[in-house]
Amino acid sequence: KQEVTQIPAALSVPEGENLVLNCSFTDSAIYNLQWFRQDPGKGLTSLLLIQSSQREQTSGRLNASLDKSSGRSTLYIAASQPGDSATYLCAVSSMDTGRRALTFGSGTRLQVQP
Amino acid sequence: NAGVTQTPKFQVLKTGQSMTLQCAQDMNHEYMSWYRQDPGMGLRLIHYSVGAGITDQGEVPNGYNVSRSTTEDFPLRLLSAAPSQTSVYFCASSPIVGGSPLHFGNGTRLTVT
Repeated sequence: KQEVTQIPAALSVPEGENLVLNCSFTDSAIYNLQWFRQDPGKGLTSLLLIQSSQREQTSGRLNASLDKSSGRSTLYIAASQPGDSATYLCAVSSMDTGRRALTFGSGTRLQVQP
Repeated sequence: NAGVTQTPKFQVLKTGQSMTLQCAQDMNHEYMSWYRQDPGMGLRLIHYSVGAGITDQGEVPNGYNVSRSTTEDFPLRLLSAAPSQTSVYFCASSPIVGGSPLHFGNGTRLTVT
């Protein structure tokens, strides 16, 4: 059964720092991996989706990489801002669930200090 | 563009009561799903649908029913509420199964006493 782990559970950085969030998964037979952002009391917003054949995706200050063979993904946030404060979750679509379900990590709670 | 709309935002039930959580999307998405989010356990899939008239169970389906009579609506029914069903419930949709970003509603926070 696929398991997704995100470390650290919480992170606090000063504004302007570049930072990396980590996601690891146990089964490399995946279709894709998504990174989401969740603000308190809100739903999840999809940030980036990486297909299994891709190595990375970029959107603005965000860059997500995928190393399927090692079961790892990173989300790189450049020049962090207080508005980036949120919980970031990764999720994989695995072949064992036939694309029908995502397996989520528990998230990294990010606080960017002004 | 409303996206995925969930009602109600908050609900308190007594043990044994039943209720329906509503979910509607206006993006003509084929795939819809219900997740519950609990502290320390991440999001877990309850039920999903790959099109009108087609539903299936996810990881934690017990105590919940769903139906999909139209493309737009995917209600989640709690048959006899239990304290273990206290959680935040999210509805999510995507154009196709598994290959495109998932769009989430803002959630329903349910407390069962």
